[in-house]
Amino acid sequence: NAGVTQTPKFRVLKTGQSMTLLCAQDMNHEYMYWYRQDPGMGLRLIHYSVGEGTTAKGEVPDGYNVSRLKKQNFLLGLESAAPSQTSVYFCASSSAISYNEQFFGPGTRLTVL
Amino acid sequence: AQSVAQPEDQVNVAEGNPLTVKCTYSVSGNPYLFWYVQYPNRGLQFLLKYITGDNLVKGSYGFEAEFNKSQTSFHLKKPSALVSDSALYFCAVRDKGYSTLTFGKGTMLLVSP
Repeated sequence: NAGVTQTPKFRVLKTGQSMTLLCAQDMNHEYMYWYRQDPGMGLRLIHYSVGEGTTAKGEVPDGYNVSRLKKQNFLLGLESAAPSQTSVYFCASSSAISYNEQFFGPGTRLTVL
Repeated sequence: AQSVAQPEDQVNVAEGNPLTVKCTYSVSGNPYLFWYVQYPNRGLQFLLKYITGDNLVKGSYGFEAEFNKSQTSFHLKKPSALVSDSALYFCAVRDKGYSTLTFGKGTMLLVSP
C-alpha cells in the first residue's frame, strides 16, 4: 500500500497563476484533510472532507478551494496564487472513527513569486 | 473550542538522558490526544495516542506519554534519548464532538551526542 501520496512534490508559481494539488489515499478512509505548515505556526487546517462529495472549511480556507469527487482523492486548488500562500502543504486521511490517527502524505513545497 | 499549547520551541538533551516534551490542551469535553513526529522534509508520523483508560500510554520508538487530566497535560517522554530522536514533535487534540484535530506549533528536539 502506498498510503497517502501527493502530487507534485515541488512547484514554483508566479503571483496570479493557478494550480491544483492532488492527494490520493489507498486505505479506504472516509476523512481527508489539507493542511499548510509554516515556520512557527505549526499545522493549520485549510479544508477537510468527511466523505465523497462533501467538503468543509478549516481554520485558514481563504484563497483555496477543494473537491472530493472520488473517495480516494482530495484536490486542493489555488485560483490566483499569492506570495502569502508560499508554504508546505500536507494532505492527511483517517477513518471515521474519531480516535483513530491521521496518516500524512510527504508534502508539497509551493513557492509563489 | 479545542486548543493545544507546546510551551517550548526547542528542547535540548544529551544522548542517553531522559527527555520530556511538554503539551497542554483545552477542550470542552473529553479529549483524544496524539503525538506526531516529523523528520526533515517528511510528512508527520503518528507516535502514540490517548483515548481512555491508563494514563500512561506507550508508543513507537520507545516513546511514552502521560495524560494528566487535572493539569490538562499530555507530556511526551523517553527514558533514554537517541541522536536519531532529533526531530520536530507535534501534540494534537481532538474533542469528542469535533471532526478535526488541532495541532500545537511544534517543539524541535535536539539530541546531542
